[in-house]
Amino acid sequence: QKEVEQDPGPLSVPEGAIVSLNCTYSNSAFQYFMWYRQYSRKGPELLMYTYSSGNKEDGRFTAQVDKSSKYISLFIRDSQPSDSATYLCALLFSGSARQLTFGSGTQLTVLP
Amino acid sequence: DGGITQSPKYLFRKEGQNVTLSCEQNLNHDAMYWYRQDPGQGLRLIYYSQIVNDFQKGDIAEGYSVSREKKESFPLTVTSAQKNPTAFYLCASSARVTGSNQPQHFGDGTRLSIL
Repeated sequence: QKEVEQDPGPLSVPEGAIVSLNCTYSNSAFQYFMWYRQYSRKGPELLMYTYSSGNKEDGRFTAQVDKSSKYISLFIRDSQPSDSATYLCALLFSGSARQLTFGSGTQLTVLP
Repeated sequence: DGGITQSPKYLFRKEGQNVTLSCEQNLNHDAMYWYRQDPGQGLRLIYYSQIVNDFQKGDIAEGYSVSREKKESFPLTVTSAQKNPTAFYLCASSARVTGSNQPQHFGDGTRLSIL
């Protein structure tokens, strides 16, 4: 079993739809949770970062963490064609001197 | 503007050849990382460095080597021992490592292909 499982997609939605992207993880030692957006042939760009259970909102984006269920989500409201990208969840252990553990990414296409 | 610069954007390697990928950052970050990304897979860590003149192997270090002689620079060499080097290589940096609440920031990658 992988440490982080992410819905692979691809996911295609009409413009204006609400998008839900999800990851589950197996190790309760993960304490920091991030979402990255990666456009084709570009590096990942940090979208959201949180370390507590609950919701964190930034504009049209909401990151949700449920540590009891080991489940994290990213919601995109009023999706736009410019949101078309691959979205990667990334998790970090508290006190880790190593690196992020990434999900495999979900490819999202928002159709105009 | 602060950021991470990777060069070249595209690189081709002949059989038996070593190639070096450049990564430079002007963010004054202590830690730097190299990842490999294959289609449909997440990022896999090759090497990371917390301070100058020190680095550690990641999950897939075989066939790769690094150096960290300057805080700003963390070049990656793909050696001839790496039998399947075709991939997208990403360099990242972060302000702190241990117990960090500073996430990693990425360059725009180098795409390596075999001739």
